[in-house]
Amino acid sequence: EVQLVQSGAEVKKPGESLKISCKGSGYNFLSYWIGWVRQIPGKGLEWMGMIYPDDSDIRYSPSFEGQVTMSADKSISTAYLQWSRLKASENAIYYCARHPRTATYFDSWGQGTPVTVSS
Amino acid sequence: EIVLTQSPATLSFSPGERATLSCRASQSISDYLSWYQQKPGQAPRLLMYDASNRATGIPARFSGSGSGTDFTLTISRLEPEDFAVYYCQQRSNWPLFTFGPGTRVDIK
Repeated sequence: EVQLVQSGAEVKKPGESLKISCKGSGYNFLSYWIGWVRQIPGKGLEWMGMIYPDDSDIRYSPSFEGQVTMSADKSISTAYLQWSRLKASENAIYYCARHPRTATYFDSWGQGTPVTVSS
Repeated sequence: EIVLTQSPATLSFSPGERATLSCRASQSISDYLSWYQQKPGQAPRLLMYDASNRATGIPARFSGSGSGTDFTLTISRLEPEDFAVYYCQQRSNWPLFTFGPGTRVDIK
């Protein structure tokens, strides 16, 4: 069974750093892109970017480039999303999702990581 | 940047009714359109891809159509579990993905 399991909820202060994770299992982790999607409470879905774990090819949405860093550790089938200095406006649920290499969609999603940024 | 529009933001139906949801792209995206369902407190779930293909495990009451700029998701007979928010998503201009703003399907 394909699974993407994300790290747990986080509560941070503005200006703090954070790294959240997404662990894939049940499939060849190296052969699929992992995308990240933000959902601000009560709002829609925003695509942030994606990483191809086999060679760490990364594509960022222009809206998020420079705001976050994506990485992956293929030895443990895990992708990461990190911030160096969080802002209150980044209060959201962050989802990882699997993207087949030649496809146009995300076919499996993690459960989401809620991030609360508050002073 | 390709913009997706979903209107109206909310639709109300009774169980058993037929629901038709619309998604419009600001320029042609061929058939590179997917639909997702999201229930409260849950991650999105892929329903349809490439405009008209049902994802694995999706019931036959869901169907999709369209190409170019105008797309439709149809639920032939609404079941209680179908009341949710539905998002369209395009990936026409690799590597950029965009989502529509969503349509909420409410119980009348």
